[in-house]
Amino acid sequence: GDQVEQSPSALSLHEGTGSALRCNFTTTMRAVQWFRKNSRGSLINLFYLASGTKENGRLKSAFDSKERYSTLHIRDAQLEDSGTYFCAAEAYNQGKLIFGQGTKLSIKP
Amino acid sequence: EAAVTQSPRSKVAVTGGKVTLSCHQTNNHDYMYWYRQDTGHGLRLIHYSYVADSTEKGDIPDGYKASRPSQENFSLILELASLSQTAVYFCASSGTFSAETLYFGSGTRLTVL
Repeated sequence: GDQVEQSPSALSLHEGTGSALRCNFTTTMRAVQWFRKNSRGSLINLFYLASGTKENGRLKSAFDSKERYSTLHIRDAQLEDSGTYFCAAEAYNQGKLIFGQGTKLSIKP
Repeated sequence: EAAVTQSPRSKVAVTGGKVTLSCHQTNNHDYMYWYRQDTGHGLRLIHYSYVADSTEKGDIPDGYKASRPSQENFSLILELASLSQTAVYFCASSGTFSAETLYFGSGTRLTVL
């Protein structure tokens, strides 16, 4: 079936540095969302992309449907960025979001 | 295939009126969710529940209440509907919270006039 492979599974960064998370798709997806799981366990929507790139503060995301991937870049990481990040891809005509496995991001002083 | 059914499929409500959206799942899933989708935007979580008789607030709970009377049923209640609540609402269920496929209903298109 359709799958979303997210990497890395865990990432540790020092404050002020940056990195990228990536999701690869086994099939063409219509759109992708990125979420951060907050301390209450709910998913905070970070980005929704049907194509191209979007930027919000220190976060930037890109989605290439043809190449079957999406990325989430974090720059100038802060302690409050710690958490688990998920991508979720929207398959065509399937009425569901397929989530990646998540990336546990730890920001260290 | 997992089954999540929503009712009604669409509804027109008046400002200040009460609206109840219903969701039923036959997946034996513990988790159920209510999302709203606005044109050009992704899904945003309103409320969710991981067990009957208990609900949790999501990202945008203001103006909404939720009810989980049984494992199979999860309702979203708008006590005083407002124009800004015009959107498509999706219910979903999953066996665990996140990191797993969410199975969505077909959506309810709500128009508040």
